[in-house]
Amino acid sequence: GNSVTQMEGPVTLSEEAFLTINCTYTATGYPSLFWYVQYPGEGLQLLLKATKADDKGSNKGFEATYRKETTSFHLEKGSVQVSDSAVYFCALRDPTSGTYKYIFGTGTRLKVLA
Amino acid sequence: DVKVTQSSRYLVKRTGEKVFLECVQDMDHENMFWYRQDPGLGLRLIYFSYDVKMKEKGDIPEGYSVSREKKERFSLILESASTNQTSMYLCASSLTGRYEQFFGPGTRLTVL
Repeated sequence: GNSVTQMEGPVTLSEEAFLTINCTYTATGYPSLFWYVQYPGEGLQLLLKATKADDKGSNKGFEATYRKETTSFHLEKGSVQVSDSAVYFCALRDPTSGTYKYIFGTGTRLKVLA
Repeated sequence: DVKVTQSSRYLVKRTGEKVFLECVQDMDHENMFWYRQDPGLGLRLIYFSYDVKMKEKGDIPEGYSVSREKKERFSLILESASTNQTSMYLCASSLTGRYEQFFGPGTRLTVL
């Protein structure tokens, strides 16, 4: 079945370090891919998305490229800030379940130290 | 801005109690969802609804039911709470044809 696998956390970085959070997926068809972020005490919010192969989603300095050949959607940021400390979820929209269903990864906690 | 609100941030109940979790969205979204979030398991879909009075089971519906009598409100019901239902519960909504789901802040439920 469809699934999302993301790297285990926590990831601890110093401010201004480079960030990569790995995400790979298994899906039939052509899913849309997403990164959501959950700040402490809040619900999830969409960070970026890509709807087809080779698309690059970007927002707030974060980027991720939809790589169909490696079934990956890794999240990157060139210089992290303390305010980026949060839990990051990779997700795909299940193409076989109509419009509604997402499949989420387990989440990766990022802690950025000043 | 879309706002999704949940009735409680923290809730403590006893085993066997009937528990109601309420979710309200203010942007006329057709679709509403209930997830539970557990460490190491991510988000798992319990139920979703694509219209008033319509519902579909998600991946883990056992022990839960839902109610959607009005478009803006989606309730999750634990008929007889058990300790393994201790979790964070997240509600979300979305517009049909749009990808983004909007989440509430979550309800952390503890069942003793």
